[in-house]
Amino acid sequence: GAVVSQHPSWVICKSGTSVKIECRSLDFQATTMFWYRQFPKQSLMLMATSNEGSKATYEQGVEKDKFLINHASLTLSTLTVTSAHPEDSSFYICSASPDYQQFFGPGTRLTVL
Amino acid sequence: LAKTTQPISMDSYEGQEVNITCSHNNIATNDYITWYQQFPSQGPRFIIQGYKTKVTNEVASLFIPADRKSSTQSLPRVSLSDTAVYYCLATPPDDYKLSFGAGTTVTVRA
Repeated sequence: GAVVSQHPSWVICKSGTSVKIECRSLDFQATTMFWYRQFPKQSLMLMATSNEGSKATYEQGVEKDKFLINHASLTLSTLTVTSAHPEDSSFYICSASPDYQQFFGPGTRLTVL
Repeated sequence: LAKTTQPISMDSYEGQEVNITCSHNNIATNDYITWYQQFPSQGPRFIIQGYKTKVTNEVASLFIPADRKSSTQSLPRVSLSDTAVYYCLATPPDDYKLSFGAGTTVTVRA
């Protein structure tokens, strides 16, 4: 199956700093990628839809100025958590699809101190 | 997106068959039923997808009755490594946005 990677796999940062997470489709092109967030013992929550060459579409309640998404190429989307705070600590997962099936990245564990 | 309901948790033993039933009373005509598996600190993994009747692959079987208001995923002869959270989703064929419910935590014991 198709492969989606994320980098880094985990990151620890200080409160107030910004963190960038990369999502790459390794063996296919993806005009659309999705970003999810998952808190401990909870399900995945869709944050935004990342569209190559255009602005991302954010789900209700997700601050677009805090979670900056850039989909600069057909294989790369980045999520930047700006001015991170402890409540942003979570597991961030991206997904992409070459056809009808969604493939998920391994996730990025963000811890904000 | 149609809402799905599944049991919160299920326990089983190695070698047994595990059947997880998912309710989707308001499923749309074009929706498919898709199941994902998620291990701790990993992204979900696609298991199986179907529209009606029965679908089988190397991992699981999916049974969907004619009214499509529910479905059952069957995991044959589970092992300890099948301990995971399993999500049932109703997914439109032309919309890749996925709405995850709470999922079913399956625990397999020796």
